[in-house]
Amino acid sequence: SYDLTQPPSLSVAPGETARITCGGKSLGLKSVHWYQQKSGQTPIVVISYDRGRPSGIPQRFSGSGFGGTATLTIDRVEAGDEAVYYCQVWDESSDEGVFGGGTKLTVL
Amino acid sequence: QVRLEQSGAEVAKPGALVRVSCKASGYPFLDYYIHWVRQAPGQGLEWMAVLNPRGDRKSYAERLQGRFSVTRDTATTTVFMELSTLKYDDTAVYYCVRAATTGAGGRSAPLDIWGQGTKVTVSS
Repeated sequence: SYDLTQPPSLSVAPGETARITCGGKSLGLKSVHWYQQKSGQTPIVVISYDRGRPSGIPQRFSGSGFGGTATLTIDRVEAGDEAVYYCQVWDESSDEGVFGGGTKLTVL
Repeated sequence: QVRLEQSGAEVAKPGALVRVSCKASGYPFLDYYIHWVRQAPGQGLEWMAVLNPRGDRKSYAERLQGRFSVTRDTATTTVFMELSTLKYDDTAVYYCVRAATTGAGGRSAPLDIWGQGTKVTVSS
């Protein structure tokens, strides 16, 4: 099966930049989606197809990728960005969806 | 309004079967794939299955093969999931989720519309 690896946690001060990574074999060949899940809520898409930003998502959120790593970048972090962030792909070889383990972003 | 309305919480014994429904409304039911995702208490998201409502094609997470099935009723625009031979670690919130794009791209599309979730508790 295909695995996606995320750091379990990240702490950032308000106004700083958060970079959350997602690693997987040949990840650059897949479309990566990023989700934000705040406590007690269902997830929402913050980045789709590696770099796309859905309507309503602030420009402070951006996605990038190179080789086996995709990165979600949040500029000028705010207290309201505190959440767990998940990366997700579709793995054609196993015909399955895959989520990363999630990264809990704490705003100091 | 696009909506996925799930059935209520379930409590079941180990070894039993649980069935959860997910009624779709506000969009062309046949055009969008439906995925199932679960989240155990305090844990991350786990992908379980995807269904194409138009052709009834399905894919399942390998680790659930044989215990999990997804069906749909096009007349009532409802998707169902069944998980059998329940184990304690099947305790989780189960979500039905709509893919963001139509057609075959729905398998790899982002998951943009989430049901409210159904809490399944496995307890003796």
